[in-house]
Amino acid sequence: GAVVSQHPSRVICKSGTSVKIECRSLDFQATTMFWYRQFPKQSLMLMATSNEGSKATYEQGVEKDKFLINHASLTLSTLTVTSAHPEDSSFYICSARDLGDIGGYTFGSGTRLTVV
Amino acid sequence: AQTVTQSQPEMSVQEAETVTLSCTYDTSESDYYLFWYKQPPSRQMILVIRQEAYKQQNATENRFSVNFQKAAKSFSLKISDSQLGDAAMYFCAYYLWGNQFYFGTGTSLTVIP
Repeated sequence: GAVVSQHPSRVICKSGTSVKIECRSLDFQATTMFWYRQFPKQSLMLMATSNEGSKATYEQGVEKDKFLINHASLTLSTLTVTSAHPEDSSFYICSARDLGDIGGYTFGSGTRLTVV
Repeated sequence: AQTVTQSQPEMSVQEAETVTLSCTYDTSESDYYLFWYKQPPSRQMILVIRQEAYKQQNATENRFSVNFQKAAKSFSLKISDSQLGDAAMYFCAYYLWGNQFYFGTGTSLTVIP
């Protein structure tokens, strides 16, 4: 089945630095990928929709300049948390749709970001 | 806006027994998808089962089945012969083609040996 690889799985960074998270579709092409944020014991909150070759679409309340999304190829989307602060600490998950499977979305394994 | 409601924050079931998780949603659309995802402690989101709204027949995947009531906008998940590995957070999700996923708040399932 479709596989989405997300790296790193865990990252600790200092406040003020930037962190890049990668989301790769391994065996299919994904024109659209989604980035979610999940707080402990809560549901997934959509942050943005990443579109290959064009600008990402951000949900209301999500800072575009803080959460930079790049979808440069059909198999890779990246989320960069810029000038990270402790409040950015969270679990980030990406997902992608296999165009060959209508309704089939696969999630990455997530990234635990801790900003100290 | 579409909303998905899971009214049971926590559920428990005895091993080998059956449990049903509830989900209701609100939509004015007629063609959409519904999903149940499982999120174990590893936090990996795993697709359990999905249902296309245009299909009247309830989806089934081994021990997992759904009761899809379109008119009532209800989409419950039944887990039969519960196993310890079924313990996880379960999220109900609604998806409209070309749109985004809407997730419920989740139900934490405990399986008692």
